[in-house]
Amino acid sequence: DIVMTQSPDSLAVSLGERATINCKSSQSLLSRSNSRNYLAWYQQKARQPPKLLIYWASTRESGVPDRFSGSGSGTDFTLTISSLQAEDVAVYYCQHYYDTPLTFGGGTKVEIK
Amino acid sequence: EVQLVEAGGGLVQPGGSLRLSCAGSGFSFSDHYMDWVRQAPGKGLEWIARTSNKVNSYKTFYAASVNGRSTISRDDSQNLLHLQLNSLNTEDTAMYYCARARLGDGYNLDWGQGILVTVSS
Repeated sequence: DIVMTQSPDSLAVSLGERATINCKSSQSLLSRSNSRNYLAWYQQKARQPPKLLIYWASTRESGVPDRFSGSGSGTDFTLTISSLQAEDVAVYYCQHYYDTPLTFGGGTKVEIK
Repeated sequence: EVQLVEAGGGLVQPGGSLRLSCAGSGFSFSDHYMDWVRQAPGKGLEWIARTSNKVNSYKTFYAASVNGRSTISRDDSQNLLHLQLNSLNTEDTAMYYCARARLGDGYNLDWGQGILVTVSS
């Protein structure tokens, strides 16, 4: 099974500042057949279900603000919030969908400093 | 508007069974792979089961934590997804979400609001 490791567990960022979340997979998520990375990012606010933010490691889902961006390839990935807003307070999860079992990272809690 | 609505949760005694359902609407249910994902109180997300579509022979996949004591199934005629859980223990206490996978891809595009399952004596 592919193990997903996120860091940090939590971070506090001032409003308008950058937040960076890292995700590492135990094996490459880059497919040789289509050159795509099978990595998604989700946002989960308190008492709500997760919401898809990013897929294929860097493609923003429709309606997601452009301050959210994903990068990386292979085994190392990053979610960046370029200018943190109050409504971005949430837990963020990475997920691989390379094969089953799908697995999630442990989550990163983002708070306002 | 896409909607996924879970039902069937509640309090169950250890060793008991439960059948969860998820009603999908606003999309072509039969085309999509569907998943169950759970979240224990205060913990992270855990994928537990997937069913493919008719084109892919309704193949099913399970996490090791539930393999052998759970069954995912679907009724495309009624746009329903089910999860049968047996031999429940306290570690199965969680919010259970059904989620739709994007057509042709594997990530979860839409999620239900979740249904709480509590395993306790």
